[in-house]
Amino acid sequence: DIQMTQSPSSLSASIGDRVTITCRASQNIGKYLNWYQQKPGKVPKLLISVASNLESGVPSRFSGSGSGTDFNLTITSLHPEDFATYYCQRAYSTPRSFGPGTKVHTK
Amino acid sequence: EVQLVESGGGVVRPGGSLRLSCAASGFTFNDDDMSWVRQVPGKGLEWVSGINWNGDTRGYADSVKGRFIISRDNAKNFLYLQMNSLRADDTALYHCARGYGSSGSWGQGTLVTVSS
Repeated sequence: DIQMTQSPSSLSASIGDRVTITCRASQNIGKYLNWYQQKPGKVPKLLISVASNLESGVPSRFSGSGSGTDFNLTITSLHPEDFATYYCQRAYSTPRSFGPGTKVHTK
Repeated sequence: EVQLVESGGGVVRPGGSLRLSCAASGFTFNDDDMSWVRQVPGKGLEWVSGINWNGDTRGYADSVKGRFIISRDNAKNFLYLQMNSLRADDTALYHCARGYGSSGSWGQGTLVTVSS
């Protein structure tokens, strides 16, 4: 099976910071990569699909890039509501594995 | 408005069975693939199973393969997960989600606890 990893597992940041989270697949998955945001007590929210396609209603400060095995989620200027845990997910073939998550917390 | 409402969770002994249901509304259910995703409270997301729009294609995580069965009833707008031979590490909040490759809508989940 293809394994999904994320780095870092946790990061501390301040309002206005540029934040980049990396997701790595153990094999080439093309551009079949999603990003989700989850806040405590809430269900995950789909932010980005197909590596870089911003879902409707998601602020433009979020962007995704990458293909093959290496992907990034970037928040250009962190807002208070962006403190959350972010997950990548393989979006094609079975299993549709999630990464272990990256928790973005306040510095 | 898309609504996904899970039911059927509860406490079950190791080796037991449960059937989860997900009632879907607010979209054309028989047009969409569906998935089950679980999460141990405080831990990460684990994709469990997915099914395409007409039930012809089904996929499972290795951790549940041979024990869980996903199905759907497009006439009733329901998604199901039959869980057999349950183990302690199946304890989690189980969400149904719209989509197989990417999930833009999620239910609030139903809690499954496997304990003796």
